[in-house]
Amino acid sequence: DVVLTQTPPTLSATIGQSVSISCRSSQSLLHSNGNTYLHWLLQRPGQSPQLLIYLVSRLESGVPNRFSGSGSGTDFTLKISGVEAEDLGVYYCVQGTHAPYTFGAGTKLELK
Amino acid sequence: QVQLKESGPGLVQPSQTLSLTCTVSGFSLTSYNVHWVRQPPGKGLEWMGVIWSGGNTDYNSALKPRLSISRDTSKSQVFLTMNSLQTEDTGIYYCNRNGAAYWGQGVMVTVSS
Repeated sequence: DVVLTQTPPTLSATIGQSVSISCRSSQSLLHSNGNTYLHWLLQRPGQSPQLLIYLVSRLESGVPNRFSGSGSGTDFTLKISGVEAEDLGVYYCVQGTHAPYTFGAGTKLELK
Repeated sequence: QVQLKESGPGLVQPSQTLSLTCTVSGFSLTSYNVHWVRQPPGKGLEWMGVIWSGGNTDYNSALKPRLSISRDTSKSQVFLTMNSLQTEDTGIYYCNRNGAAYWGQGVMVTVSS
């Protein structure tokens, strides 16, 4: 199974600070069809996860553009340009290139 | 709009079978895949399995011996059945569309006698 390693496990930020989360895969997530099925989710406390970024860098409809995704192959990054209070929660990367789907362990974003 | 809603018993006895239903609206099960994901209390997300739009299924290898996913397209429902439940199966069970987008609210399942 593909292992996704997220770092850091916990991130402390002040409002307005820019932060990045890394997601590294144990194997390339480039599918034979040319797509890379690496997505980012945010789970706020007590809520279901929600999709932020899909296919590495595409912003889900309704998601603020302070969120951005980048990367290729095995290394991926989620960046938040100017943290807001509503961004607090746990961020997960998830891959769907290789069966079975797998999730990263999560990165908890807290207020400093 | 797209919606998914999980339903099922909140409490299951050890060694018994769990049956959950995911009722969807706003899309067709023959056009989109539906996944099941679970989350133990205070822990991360675990992918359980998927029923593809064509009706085939794939499962987490660790759960495969006791897990089954099926559907009734006429009712827009996807079913999860898992047998031999243990306390470590306690958690919130979610269904979602296509693995990441459009999640249900989740249903809490507690395995306890």
